[in-house]
Amino acid sequence: QSALTQPASVSGSPEQSITISCTGTDSDIGAYNYVSWYQQHPGKAPKIIVYDVSNRPSGVSNRFSGSKSGNTASLTISGLQAEDEADYYCTSYTTSSTLVFGGGTKLTVL
Amino acid sequence: QVQLQESGPGPVKPSETLSLTCTVSGGSISSYFWSWIRQPPGKGLEWIGYIYYTGTTYYNPSLKSRVTISGDTSKNQFSLHLSSVTAADTAVYYCARFPGGNWGYYYLDVWGKGTTVTVSS
Repeated sequence: QSALTQPASVSGSPEQSITISCTGTDSDIGAYNYVSWYQQHPGKAPKIIVYDVSNRPSGVSNRFSGSKSGNTASLTISGLQAEDEADYYCTSYTTSSTLVFGGGTKLTVL
Repeated sequence: QVQLQESGPGPVKPSETLSLTCTVSGGSISSYFWSWIRQPPGKGLEWIGYIYYTGTTYYNPSLKSRVTISGDTSKNQFSLHLSSVTAADTAVYYCARFPGGNWGYYYLDVWGKGTTVTVSS
């Protein structure tokens, strides 16, 4: 299985919105609505922020939203804040009952 | 609240087997999948595999020939064994819970803090 494709980096100014894409195949993103997104700050473990394409766990800001079209999922962060600066990873469940991660995207808040 | 803690013997020499254990506290390992994920220095996350509490395992195809994940329900622990290691296996290793189909949640919802494993002679 190949890693999902994410842009290496994105940036935005405070209060702006940014979108991170995550492209897979018919065997992962395109097969199920089981795409999740994780936020990772330096030296910390990843934290789930979106699951099942567009659902947020309790306690996660509604500034984070997810969507999917075909084999591509997207994470949008609106009203950017300095604390959003982190690495973001997408993950998908696959038709082989495995998981596959994206390569990660570094978000810089300017 | 469920918590996970990785533990291991420390540095590993090339060609040897890396062994780590994840201890689950605050809940039972029954009815869930339990996963290992790693992150080489400065790089992204890589899913290694998971084990269902019944013993069924699924592995990343790229690591399958070298990986074994086992579980011990009596100790509420599960373990990772990665054979024939090289410097490329140097990484932070995380354990995490994956609820799966039983719960209808297909994401890694609880993570350990991670443990650094260095492969060096």
